[in-house]
Amino acid sequence: SQQGEEDPQALSIQEGENATMNCSYKTSINNLQWYRQNSGRGLVHLILIRSNEREKHSGRLRVTLDTSKKSSSLLITASRAADTASYFCATGISYKLSFGAGTTVTVRA
Amino acid sequence: DVKVTQSSRYLVKRTGEKVFLECVQDMDHENMFWYRQDPGLGLRLIYFSYDVKMKEKGDIPEGYSVSREKKERFSLILESASTNQTSMYLCASSGLNQPQHFGDGTRLSIL
Repeated sequence: SQQGEEDPQALSIQEGENATMNCSYKTSINNLQWYRQNSGRGLVHLILIRSNEREKHSGRLRVTLDTSKKSSSLLITASRAADTASYFCATGISYKLSFGAGTTVTVRA
Repeated sequence: DVKVTQSSRYLVKRTGEKVFLECVQDMDHENMFWYRQDPGLGLRLIYFSYDVKMKEKGDIPEGYSVSREKKERFSLILESASTNQTSMYLCASSGLNQPQHFGDGTRLSIL
């Protein structure tokens, strides 16, 4: 079953702008992960945030988690053409993850 | 770097055929997974394995079976392929309580 739901479904931005996407989920979680998928490729793990964390950074990525609202956001700052991809949030316990349908981000040059 | 290799990038088969999709990982991971990915539906878990010869059904196991005879290899089997099994199939592996690492996928068409 699909636990996470990303919003928006698609996003188009100019190179250099920031991109923000959101994920909402339904049940309690231990952690939440974000993955990226380039066209025709597999998913690549970006970042994991635990349920007791509110914010986490990795390079140009910033993830927030609000467990009271059951939501998370992924911010990509100073976007580049190489950030064009689909982004998925994933929730789950231990080894069994549930993925949302993803947000497709297009960065225009 | 972890490498998860799927045997074929593209595969075309006929209805009723028995289809094997192979996946190999090189990091001695305990866990391996098979997903299918369809537009608008995201990734759906078909089967996963947490050890050699151990398997558990995911969310959509009907029409599929799996085999894990060696730790590094996890096979997905379509016993009698049908057109509604046309999809992108993704294999992944992970260590205990670690993020999953994915292969590049097999785009399977059933005619």
